[in-house]
Amino acid sequence: QKEVEQDPGPLSVPEGAIVSLNCTYSNSAFQYFMWYRQYSRKGPELLMYTYSSGNKEDGRFTAQVDKSSKYISLFIRDSQPSDSATYLCAMSAAGNEKLTFGTGTRLTIIP
Amino acid sequence: NAGVTQTPKFQVLKTGQSMTLQCAQDMNHNSMYWYRQDPGMGLRLIYYSASEGTTDKGEVPNGYNVSRLNKREFSLRLESAAPSQTSVYFCASSRQGEDGYTFGSGTRLTVV
Repeated sequence: QKEVEQDPGPLSVPEGAIVSLNCTYSNSAFQYFMWYRQYSRKGPELLMYTYSSGNKEDGRFTAQVDKSSKYISLFIRDSQPSDSATYLCAMSAAGNEKLTFGTGTRLTIIP
Repeated sequence: NAGVTQTPKFQVLKTGQSMTLQCAQDMNHNSMYWYRQDPGMGLRLIYYSASEGTTDKGEVPNGYNVSRLNKREFSLRLESAAPSQTSVYFCASSRQGEDGYTFGSGTRLTVV
């Protein structure tokens, strides 16, 4: 079993919909949680960063961490065609130089 | 700021040829990483360097070597390319791993 599981999709939703992307993990030492966005033929870029449990909001994006369930989510409100990309979750334990990535979910927003 | 710069962007090699992928960062980051990304496999760590002068194997190091030339530069070498090394290669850097990475734009390598 992988340390981080992420549904690969693909996921297609109409413009304006709320999108929910999720990852589960097994390592209880993970404390730092991130979401990366990767456009086609580009490198991943850091989108959201959360430490420990709770929510973090940035514009239309909300990152949620539930450490008790070992479950993280990314919500996108009022989705736009420009949100079409692959979204990767990533996480790390304190003092660890390496991130553990999910395999990514490919998202398409249909105009 | 350039961030993380990778060269070349594209490369086609014949089986058995060698090449070096170059990576440089201008953010004064301590750690640097090389990943490969294949469809359905996600990002897989090849090698990383937690600081200047140190390198460590990642998940898929076979067939690769690395050099941390200085704090800015981290190169990846394929000594004898194989078709299984056809992939997109990403370099990344971070101040500390838990801070998150900055990625380069990638090198698309095809081995025929």
